[in-house]
Amino acid sequence: QKEVEQDPGPLSVPEGAIVSLNCTYSNSAFQYFMWYRQYSRKGPELLMYTYSSGNKEDGRFTAQVDKSSKYISLFIRDSQPSDSATYLCAMSPSSNTGKLIFGQGTTLQVKP
Amino acid sequence: GAGVSQSPSNKVTEKGKDVELRCDPISGHTALYWYRQSLGQGLEFLIYFQGNSAPDKSGLPSDRFSAERTGGSVSTLTIQRTQQEDSAVYLCASSRTGTGQETQYFGPGTRLLVL
Repeated sequence: QKEVEQDPGPLSVPEGAIVSLNCTYSNSAFQYFMWYRQYSRKGPELLMYTYSSGNKEDGRFTAQVDKSSKYISLFIRDSQPSDSATYLCAMSPSSNTGKLIFGQGTTLQVKP
Repeated sequence: GAGVSQSPSNKVTEKGKDVELRCDPISGHTALYWYRQSLGQGLEFLIYFQGNSAPDKSGLPSDRFSAERTGGSVSTLTIQRTQQEDSAVYLCASSRTGTGQETQYFGPGTRLLVL
């Protein structure tokens, strides 16, 4: 079993929809939780970062972490065609190293 | 430079040949990471550099894989006697100091195909 599980999709939604992306994990030592966005044939770029449990909002994006359930989510409101990409959750067990453990990635398509 | 650069962008090689992949991190970043992304898979950690030292090599899949970093800047990932299962996108990232809460900036990757 992988340390981080993420449904690979693909997920297809109409423009304007609310999108929910999720990851589960097994290692209770994870402290830092990130969402990266990766466009086709590009490197991933950091979208959201959360430390420990709680919510964080940035524009149309909201990240949630529930450490008791070992579950993290990314919500995208008013989705746009430009949001079409692969979304990767990533986690780090320690502040001493930036080694990241990634989920498989969910491919999202937002149709105009 | 403005961002992380990697070369070559694409590499096609024959099974059994050696390949070298290069990464130029963002200037001033002391931490450098190599990841591998196979088709339909997430990123798999390979190795972490802090300066020229590699305190975490736990992700290197076999002794055919090695990496070095010189001058605290450029890094080279070498794969010896390539196998077809080595076909993947090899991504390099750098961050300012290497702590868990820092943003990692990724390069565009090198797409390796082993025939």
